[in-house]
Amino acid sequence: DVKVTQSSRYLVKRTGEKVFLECVQDMDHENMFWYRQDPGLGLRLIYFSYDVKMKEKGDIPEGYSVSREKKERFSLILESASTNQTSMYLCASSSPSLSNEQFFGPGTRLTVL
Amino acid sequence: AQTVTQSQPEMSVQEAETVTLSCTYDTSESNYYLFWYKQPPSRQMILVIRQEAYKQQNATENRFSVNFQKAAKSFSLKISDSQLGDTAMYFCAFMGAQGAQKLVFGQGTRLTINP
Repeated sequence: DVKVTQSSRYLVKRTGEKVFLECVQDMDHENMFWYRQDPGLGLRLIYFSYDVKMKEKGDIPEGYSVSREKKERFSLILESASTNQTSMYLCASSSPSLSNEQFFGPGTRLTVL
Repeated sequence: AQTVTQSQPEMSVQEAETVTLSCTYDTSESNYYLFWYKQPPSRQMILVIRQEAYKQQNATENRFSVNFQKAAKSFSLKISDSQLGDTAMYFCAFMGAQGAQKLVFGQGTRLTINP
């Protein structure tokens, strides 16, 4: 089974802190994605990566950056956390050569105080 | 840009009943994929069912089936013989057939199955 793991289920940070959210997948997938989930808004794409060191902006990249140094790991970085970044963050991975199904991690609920 | 709309924020039915969740989308593409994902309380999002736009036949997966109306840009999910384990958030999602495999999600429908 595909497994996507995220470094923390719950995280509490202070305004202005630099925050790292880590995601690891074990199925050698080329594509990895970061979404944020907010009530009434569904999931919105922040950034995605289709290869190591490659990244593309999604629909809401402002205030975020990403890093993909290894194929299995995709990090989301909040350079200076703000209260409006309090949300659930979901990581996903997929492989275009296998199917177009995205496999999701358990999510990280981030609270910025 | 593509948009996906789920107009039912919450639904509630009794166990064993049939329930239909609505989804509409907007796109100018002719070929694409549509998905229903399920997010149980405090558990990971999983794929329920997938439909390829070029296939006219509606997809089915056991108790789950879709009504895909391409001209109307409608993609509803029917859950038959609903079970307590079907309680979850359900998201409708769109993916274009070209380019990166990005999903565009609807707002979600919170479905509660009552005993």
